[in-house]
Amino acid sequence: DQQVKQNSPSLSVQEGRISILNCDYTNSMFDYFLWYKKYPAEGPTFLISISSIKDKNEDGRFTVFLNKSAKHLSLHIVPSQPGDSAVYFCAASAVDWGNTGKLIFGQGTTLQVKP
Amino acid sequence: KAGVTQTPRYLIKTRGQQVTLSCSPISGHRSVSWYQQTPGQGLQFLFEYFSETQRNKGNFPGRFSGRQFSNSRSEMNVSTLELGDSALYLCASSTDRALAKNIQYFGAGTRLSVL
Repeated sequence: DQQVKQNSPSLSVQEGRISILNCDYTNSMFDYFLWYKKYPAEGPTFLISISSIKDKNEDGRFTVFLNKSAKHLSLHIVPSQPGDSAVYFCAASAVDWGNTGKLIFGQGTTLQVKP
Repeated sequence: KAGVTQTPRYLIKTRGQQVTLSCSPISGHRSVSWYQQTPGQGLQFLFEYFSETQRNKGNFPGRFSGRQFSNSRSEMNVSTLELGDSALYLCASSTDRALAKNIQYFGAGTRLSVL
């Protein structure tokens, strides 16, 4: 049962344009969401996160939006750069779990930014 | 500071064998989590160790086990290997303070192929 879903396996955008990566979740317990980025032959690295008490969090070119009623979040990258080409994973956690390394990840979306 | 180190990077085993993977966390990190990454499934949480105790466990069969040593280094073991165990196994370490924001630091992984 995939509790976190990234329905688009891949996305291709032109350099300078906006990249929008989407993620849906099913478990109402989730109240903290993260995006990780992964380059080939490297481990995932933390990118940005959002708590369920917010609907938007911004960090430079990266903005995450959360729509709790739709159980949907999205990552916007503006402007997109070729160095952003990577696999992006959406992940979720629950405060009830306490401090834990347990995260529920989506399947990932491969972003290609063309020069 | 050195990052998370996983050894070996690549492994080839045959069905029925067992395998042990190793993870050296970032110095000072007491939490070590393990994930299995397969195409189409994303990263799936295996278990987490903190100060030599298993703190959390995912939904994997008992063939998957782990342990953590007093220096925080961790090993995971898979017994009676099956073809479906072929995957990238990722280890992540963290501190409790970073985990409060669900931030973990991943190694590059061990690629296991079961023939």
